[in-house]
Amino acid sequence: GAGVSQSPSNKVTEKGKDVELRCDPISGHTALYWYRQSLGQGLEFLIYFQGNSAPDKSGLPSDRFSAERTGGSVSTLTIQRTQQEDSAVYLCASSPRWGVGNTGELFFGEGSRLTVL
Amino acid sequence: AQSVTQPDIHITVSEGASLELRCNYSYGATPYLFWYVQSPGQGLQLLLKYFSGDTLVQGIKGFEAEFKRSQSSFNLRKPSVHWSDAAEYFCAVGGTYKYIFGTGTRLKVLA
Repeated sequence: GAGVSQSPSNKVTEKGKDVELRCDPISGHTALYWYRQSLGQGLEFLIYFQGNSAPDKSGLPSDRFSAERTGGSVSTLTIQRTQQEDSAVYLCASSPRWGVGNTGELFFGEGSRLTVL
Repeated sequence: AQSVTQPDIHITVSEGASLELRCNYSYGATPYLFWYVQSPGQGLQLLLKYFSGDTLVQGIKGFEAEFKRSQSSFNLRKPSVHWSDAAEYFCAVGGTYKYIFGTGTRLKVLA
């Protein structure tokens, strides 16, 4: 598709279960970001990928959170043993590699809303 | 530490009135500055950005913003608000790959 695609759009899970959130970036975009958006908290940076490597994963809140990216394209954010405080909207964004035709704009998906009961 | 502050959580204006959304930042180097808009259930869309040069930048949907280095501000303005502008607005600062977002300002427009 033309834009960043995220799935699922909504996920309701029970506390303690594992969840996987998927992001399909714009074709050709080598940079990929995950952000978490909680009510009143703005966008919290989680992790940044350049290609398949993650040079900055400093925003992952705990070792229950992990992310990978394969083929320089699709990324999966995994949350293990979910807790109620993990409830949020998880946003994915992509952009061309910085400095190479990059205007600085991030292209966002519509997000995956996670609710942990 | 790098940070972005949007002091107004909610703003309500009447349709046709002017709008100014405030943004202050803290950043060690010359920042790249952005405003994004998020409509309900949607992702964020870029309104405008400042990299260098003219400190008054024009964006989409009739928005503009002015970079004031002395005040560390990048306020967003629109001369006449339309009902469709009701949304949440985020200011962001970035350099190289990392972007820091403010907590957002939710705009309500009265008919």
